[in-house]
Order: sequence, then C-alpha cells, then structure tokens
Amino acid sequence: TQLLEQSPQFLSIQEGENLTVYCNSSSVFSSLQWYRQEPGEGPVLLVTVVTGGEVKKLKRLTFQFGDARKDSSLHITAAQPGDTGLYLCAGARGGSEKLVFGKGTKLTVNP
Amino acid sequence: NAGVTQTPKFQVLKTGQSMTLQCAQDMNHEYMSWYRQDPGMGLRLIHYSVGAGITDQGEVPNGYNVSRSTTEDFPLRLLSAAPSQTSVYFCASRRQGARNEQYFGPGTRLTVT
Repeated sequence: TQLLEQSPQFLSIQEGENLTVYCNSSSVFSSLQWYRQEPGEGPVLLVTVVTGGEVKKLKRLTFQFGDARKDSSLHITAAQPGDTGLYLCAGARGGSEKLVFGKGTKLTVNP
Repeated sequence: NAGVTQTPKFQVLKTGQSMTLQCAQDMNHEYMSWYRQDPGMGLRLIHYSVGAGITDQGEVPNGYNVSRSTTEDFPLRLLSAAPSQTSVYFCASRRQGARNEQYFGPGTRLTVT
C-alpha cells in the first residue's frame, strides 16, 4: 500500500503553461516536503509544510498543505524548461524518523 | 562544504559478490539514511541511523547491513548481491529537529548480473 499517492505520474507541457501536481494520502502527516530530482542526481528539497492550510511560494512554485494535513499540491505558473524534472512528495507521521515518499511526477516542459 | 558524498558512482557486481557503498557527510548531521530508487517504486528507506552507534531498519532492509561508527560515515554493505538489488542507491542526512528535511547525495547506480 502506497501511503502517498502522486498524480499525475507523467506530465508533458509547453513552456508558459500552468500545471498542478497532487500528493494525496489517507494518513495524517506532521510535515510534508516536496523535492525535485534531475536525471543522475539526488533529490533536492524545495519546501516543507507543517501547518494545515499552509501555503508557501517559491518564485513561480506554490505549495499548499491540506487543512487536514493529508494532502498537498504543487502549482507551477508559466512553466519553463528548467522546471523539467521528477517532483517527489514525502511525509513524516507523528514522531517517526522515517520519511515516506510518493512515486513522483515526471514533468517535461518543452520549449 | 561538500555536503553528502557517495562512492562509487557506478558499480557492476556478479550475483553473490559483496561490496560496500560509501557515504560521508561533512555537515555534522546526526541523522543519516539509505534509500533505494527503482522505476515506478519511488524512494524506499533501507536503513537509518539517529547517531553514531545507533541504527535501525527501514522499509526494505533485507540483504543489507549498516553500521555507524562515526557521525560522518554511514556505509551500506551488500553481503551477497542479488539481481533484485539492482537499483540506484541514495544516502541522505539531516540535522536533529530539522523536520525531516534531508540532504541527498548524488547516488550510486548498482547493477547485479
């Protein structure tokens, strides 16, 4: 059973388009993170959200944590080819030291 | 700072061979973890450590051993490699109390034939 379900699995769009990626679970998380991974490299942390309903912005990226802390979304405005990569959400439950990852959304932004 | 470093970058093993994947961090992080990444499976936790001398199992520990003799190093040992262990392996570290915000190494791509 996958604790964190990401959708869509693949997304191919044109430069300038907007997109939203979702990360859903039936479990409550004390914190949720988004990472971006480029081919041949390790994931790089983009943001951490900890409060239900929290919204964080990172330039053209907007991250939201659901009110019940069971889901999150990543919205990219005016996507650019440099946004291409694998986007991973990851969550920690309660006081657990273990981080659970979704399977990722592979985004391709075409020039 | 170099951050999290991993060696080797690539490795090919024959079934039954043993090897150690090296991981080191220079950020004085207490927590270190090993993950494997397989197509369509995401990142899965193998073993983790909350400090020198302390290790625990993750989601997929079978076939792997770890030890943590220093804060900086966290090697992953494959005692008898199997084709099912073909994967990309990532080491990660974080500070205590850092809300699980992890720094990842560049990965080791392992192929077992």
